[in-house]
Order: sequence, then C-alpha cells, then structure tokens
Amino acid sequence: QQPVQSPQAVILREGEDAVINCSSSKALYSVHWYRQKHGEAPVFLMILLKGGEQKGHEKISASFNEKKQQSSLYLTASQLSYSGTYFCGTEMYSGGGADGLTFGKGTHLIIQP
Amino acid sequence: AAGVIQSPRHLIKEKRETATLKCYPIPRHDTVYWYQQGPGQDPQFLISFYEKMQSDKGSIPDRFSAQQFSDYHSELNMSSLELGDSALYFCASSLRTSVMHNEQFFGPGTRLTVL
Repeated sequence: QQPVQSPQAVILREGEDAVINCSSSKALYSVHWYRQKHGEAPVFLMILLKGGEQKGHEKISASFNEKKQQSSLYLTASQLSYSGTYFCGTEMYSGGGADGLTFGKGTHLIIQP
Repeated sequence: AAGVIQSPRHLIKEKRETATLKCYPIPRHDTVYWYQQGPGQDPQFLISFYEKMQSDKGSIPDRFSAQQFSDYHSELNMSSLELGDSALYFCASSLRTSVMHNEQFFGPGTRLTVL
C-alpha cells in the first residue's frame, strides 16, 4: 500500500520553513525519509520506528503519529541545498530487518534565494 | 566514510539482451536491497538479501534474478531486456544487527538504457 505524501510541490524562499507529510492507511512499523536530487541517489535523512525511536540528521526533525499512521518532516530555516525531491518510505512489518521500503510519490521542494 | 559501490554506472543494451548489475555494500553491512526507479517515479523495491538468503521480495519480474555472495556483494541479473526496463537501478545496504536495523543507505545507481 503506497503512502500518500503532501504537498506534491513546495516553493520556498531561503530561510523559510516547510512541513512535508506522509500518511498510510495501514499500520506501520517504521517511516524513513530521503532527499533525492535529480539523477542522484536518495540520501538518508531520518528513520522513525513504532514505539518512538528515531535517528537522523541533526538539522532535520520529524514526527510519527502511530495512532494516525502519519509522519511529518520539518524543514526549518531552509537553505538552497535543501532543494530536491523528498520521499517517505514505509515498512509495515518488521520481518527481521531486511524488508523493502514502499515509497510515496515524493514532494518536490524548490528553494529560491 | 565508505559508501555503497555500484557498477557499471551506465549501461546500454539492446532489446532481448541480458545485463548484470553489481553492488558492493558498505563495509560490515550484511543486507542488500535492490530498487528500480523509472523517470519521474518513486523507487520500487525489487528484492533484498541477508546472509546470502533472499529476505523480502517486491515487484521483481520473473526475467530478473539476484543473489548475494559470501563477501556480501550482490548481483542483479536481467534477461530478455525490454524497453520498459530502462531505469535507474539502486542498491542499498544496511546492518541488520544495528539498533536501527533497517536504516538503508543507497548507492549511486546504475542507469540502464534499453534500445
């Protein structure tokens, strides 16, 4: 079941904040956030586990509401380097640690000077 | 820090030919995942391996097969290539015994073009 991301696209001025959302209709074990620039590999930003554990970049924050099966990525004081496509990847069941992720369609973020 | 290595980075094949993509995980990582990303699309999970055994299976076509070797590197074998197989193929790796066992790090990808 593919998670739904919103918004589809965001245009910000440098220094502004943004929130990207990811929701699932199924119970999730974990949510993963990645940023991808055109033609490059997705770069790991954050992982949030059911139960509250999380790990990620120190300048990135995120939340995971287990009751609603929703996660949000918070980008504050945006920089030009934040531009790219943000994907959330979800894992519904912990089969032991080698489960593939199901990605949302992505949120395109453009930061203008 | 060492990252995931993929080879080749670019590959051009004709329809009905075969292709082999290689992936070398981050040192000490024991789990490998393969993803396919079409133009403007999100990455689609194909298959994963842990300790040389297939662990999870996604939307991998029957024409594709993969394996993981004793040194943890993995190969994706693709036969009877079709135009629709043109895509970026990413390999990701993780360390199963870590606390965040499914923290996946992606390689630079192999861009496959089928003519």
